[in-house]
Amino acid sequence: SQQGEEDPQALSIQEGENATMNCSYKTSINNLQWYRQNSGRGLVHLILIRSNEREKHSGRLRVTLDTSKKSSSLLITASRAADTASYFCATARSNSGYALNFGKGTSLLVTP
Amino acid sequence: DAGVIQSPRHEVTEMGQEVTLRCKPISGHDYLFWYRQTMMRGLELLIYFNNNVPIDDSGMPEDRFSAKMPNASFSTLKIQPSEPRDSAVYFCASSLGIDSGYGYTFGSGTRLTVV
Repeated sequence: SQQGEEDPQALSIQEGENATMNCSYKTSINNLQWYRQNSGRGLVHLILIRSNEREKHSGRLRVTLDTSKKSSSLLITASRAADTASYFCATARSNSGYALNFGKGTSLLVTP
Repeated sequence: DAGVIQSPRHEVTEMGQEVTLRCKPISGHDYLFWYRQTMMRGLELLIYFNNNVPIDDSGMPEDRFSAKMPNASFSTLKIQPSEPRDSAVYFCASSLGIDSGYGYTFGSGTRLTVV
């Protein structure tokens, strides 16, 4: 069963604009991760934020986590056409062992 | 490191046939996962191993599915007999550990089509 749900399902922006994707989840977590998937490829790990962290940065990526609202957001600043991909959040539930549960993803299209 | 290696990349088979998917994880990773991805259901965890031992196979859809990890460098997912509803992309992933900060490394997947 999916733990996280991304919103929106699809997002279309122009190069240079910022893209914000949201993720909501249901149960307590140890950490939350974001992944990118280009068409026809496997998922690539982008960033991990632990449950005791509120914000994390990696290059043009900014992730926030609000455990009280059980939500996270991924911000991609100054987007590029190469950022076109699907983005997934994944949660490691705190009491269920190890494996990640993935949402259905946000499909991001960045046009030149 | 070449990353997680899956084979074949594409598989087309007839209903009722046996299908075997293969995975070579990253050397040194203790965990190996099999996921299935479809448009309707998204990414579903099928089974995962820790140090070659199956830990959770509750996601395996039916007895038709089986997975093995005979050693630290190889795993198989077998479907016998295959059915059209098994058509999906099957991913293998490996990881050092959830607290490593590196997450999972996925293979490129096997696109299975059962006709």
